[in-house]
Amino acid sequence: EVQLVESGGGLVQPGGSLRLSCAVSGLTVSSNFMTWVRQAPGKGLESVSVIHSGGGTSYADSVKGRFTISRDNSKNMVYLQMNSLRAEDTAVYYCTRGIAVAGPFDYWGQGTLVTVSS
Amino acid sequence: DIQMTQSPSTLSASVGDRITITCRASQSISDWLAWYQQKPGKAPRLLIYKASSLQTGVPSRFSGSGSGTEFTLTITSLQPDDFATYSCQHYYTYSPTFGQGTRLEIK
Repeated sequence: EVQLVESGGGLVQPGGSLRLSCAVSGLTVSSNFMTWVRQAPGKGLESVSVIHSGGGTSYADSVKGRFTISRDNSKNMVYLQMNSLRAEDTAVYYCTRGIAVAGPFDYWGQGTLVTVSS
Repeated sequence: DIQMTQSPSTLSASVGDRITITCRASQSISDWLAWYQQKPGKAPRLLIYKASSLQTGVPSRFSGSGSGTEFTLTITSLQPDDFATYSCQHYYTYSPTFGQGTRLEIK
């Protein structure tokens, strides 16, 4: 059974940093496209960042230069380092597995809430 | 980025009804389109991929169609468990985008 479990969310002040973690079981992160998707309160879904099976990464324009996606193959985990956080980054962040680099996303974690507020 | 627009934003229906939700892309995406179902406080669930392929485990009352810029999700004989929010997503480019969602509520 595939499971994705996010952690690391919380309340942070504007300009602050946070690192999200995604513990994966039932599939190998290094062989898959792993994507962070977020959903602001009452809003639609937004693909934030993907790490390819080959190790390449890409980012939405809204987070480019501030967020960094990475993975630890030995721990089978995916991370999202978020710096220079803004109020508009407030959202539930989901870790997902993409069937291809841009989706569709067939496995999702339960999500972790990030709130950016002073 | 390609914009995805869903209609309607909210749909009221009754158990047993047949409903259709439309998703339009701002440019052609061939059939690189997925549909998701999301319930409050839960993660989205993949229903349909490649516009019309049913994901494993999804009931056959769900179906998708379309290509190019216009797509539809149809649910025949609505069940109580189907009342949720539905979102489309293109994966035609390396910058996938989602529609704003359609909330299906009980009439």
